[in-house]
Amino acid sequence: DQQVKQNSPSLSVQEGRISILNCDYTNSMFDYFLWYKKYPAEGPTFLISISSIKDKNEDGRFTVFLNKSAKHLSLHIVPSQPGDSAVYFCAARGVSGGATNKLIFGTGTLLAVQP
Amino acid sequence: EAEVAQSPRYKITEKSQAVAFWCDPISGHATLYWYRQILGQGPELLVQFQDESVVDDSQLPKDRFSAERLKGVDSTLKIQPAELGDSAMYLCASSSGQKGKTQYFGPGTRLLVL
Repeated sequence: DQQVKQNSPSLSVQEGRISILNCDYTNSMFDYFLWYKKYPAEGPTFLISISSIKDKNEDGRFTVFLNKSAKHLSLHIVPSQPGDSAVYFCAARGVSGGATNKLIFGTGTLLAVQP
Repeated sequence: EAEVAQSPRYKITEKSQAVAFWCDPISGHATLYWYRQILGQGPELLVQFQDESVVDDSQLPKDRFSAERLKGVDSTLKIQPAELGDSAMYLCASSSGQKGKTQYFGPGTRLLVL
């Protein structure tokens, strides 16, 4: 059973417009959420995160929104740039007896920003 | 900016052979993770170290995979014997302390088993 879901495998956006990437989760015990960006043949790069006690976090062009009642988070990129084209992974930190800190990842969304 | 180092970047091997991957975390990061990412999926945790101790290896196929972090700094992940289904990207990540919230990833090792 997949605990973190990214239902859109791909998204295409025009340069300068807003990109909205969505993520749903099932485990209400997750306490921290992160977004990573990944280029082909490279490791994921940390973008932005949000604690479960907050509903919004902003960093430059990137804003993450968390709706705990809906178990939904989204990443907004404004304005989108061609260099933002990559696979975006949503991840949630699992709490398991306090010992492990593992991240549960979604399957990713491929964002293509068209010039 | 400090980075997680991994080597090799690419590895091609034949099934039944042994392979090993190396990771050097960000200096001072006590927690080290090995993830496996199969094409089209998100990374999945194989093993987590806190210093030199394993704190989670529940998803590590222990019949063929082993991992060590002898001095609590760099780490090695080994597969013996390799199988076709092991073809994947192997990612190492580190965080500052066991409760460090943000994990920083290395460039990964792309393994192809023929």
